[in-house]
Amino acid sequence: QKEVEQNSGPLSVPEGAIASLNCTYSDRGSQSFFWYRQYSGKSPELIMSIYSNGDKEDGRFTAQLNKASQYVSLLIRDSQPSDSATYLCAVIDKAAGNKLTFGGGTRVLVKP
Amino acid sequence: DADVTQTPRNRITKTGKRIMLECSQTKGHDRMYWYRQDPGLGLRLIYYSFDVKDINKGEISDGYSVSRQAQAKFSLSLESAIPNQTALYFCATSEATGVETQYFGPGTRLLVL
Repeated sequence: QKEVEQNSGPLSVPEGAIASLNCTYSDRGSQSFFWYRQYSGKSPELIMSIYSNGDKEDGRFTAQLNKASQYVSLLIRDSQPSDSATYLCAVIDKAAGNKLTFGGGTRVLVKP
Repeated sequence: DADVTQTPRNRITKTGKRIMLECSQTKGHDRMYWYRQDPGLGLRLIYYSFDVKDINKGEISDGYSVSRQAQAKFSLSLESAIPNQTALYFCATSEATGVETQYFGPGTRLLVL
């Protein structure tokens, strides 16, 4: 069973709309949560990290964490064509040696 | 200059050949990682090193070996390449602060024929 699950997509959204991405994880000991963006053929780059329950906003991005339900989400407001990429959810469990476990990624397509 | 570099960027090899992928970093980070990426499977950890004397297997280490030559250098070897090792390989680094932001290299695209 994969430890971090994401819908592979593609998630198609019109320009200017909100893109909503979800990620669930299986290990209740997980403590740190990350969203990476990866353009096709490029390396992942960190866009958000979240450690506490609730919302964290950074520009057009909002990460939401609910540890009781074991999910973390990412909202992209005012989506732009440049947001078209694959978004990878990643989780760290310190008790498991601080290893980062990635989900399979959700591909987002923003249509002009 | 890029903080995390990988060489080569692209490599084509034949089944049974031994190849080495190299990673260098100028970020001064103690921790280094090797991942492979296959379509739809995200990134899977092959090996990781928390310092020069510490090497650990990840979830898919079979068929791979690593060497941490210095704080700044971490090499991945495929002892006898096979076609299902065709993938995109990434090196990453992080600080040992408990805030595990990882910084990725540009990747090496490997094709095993």
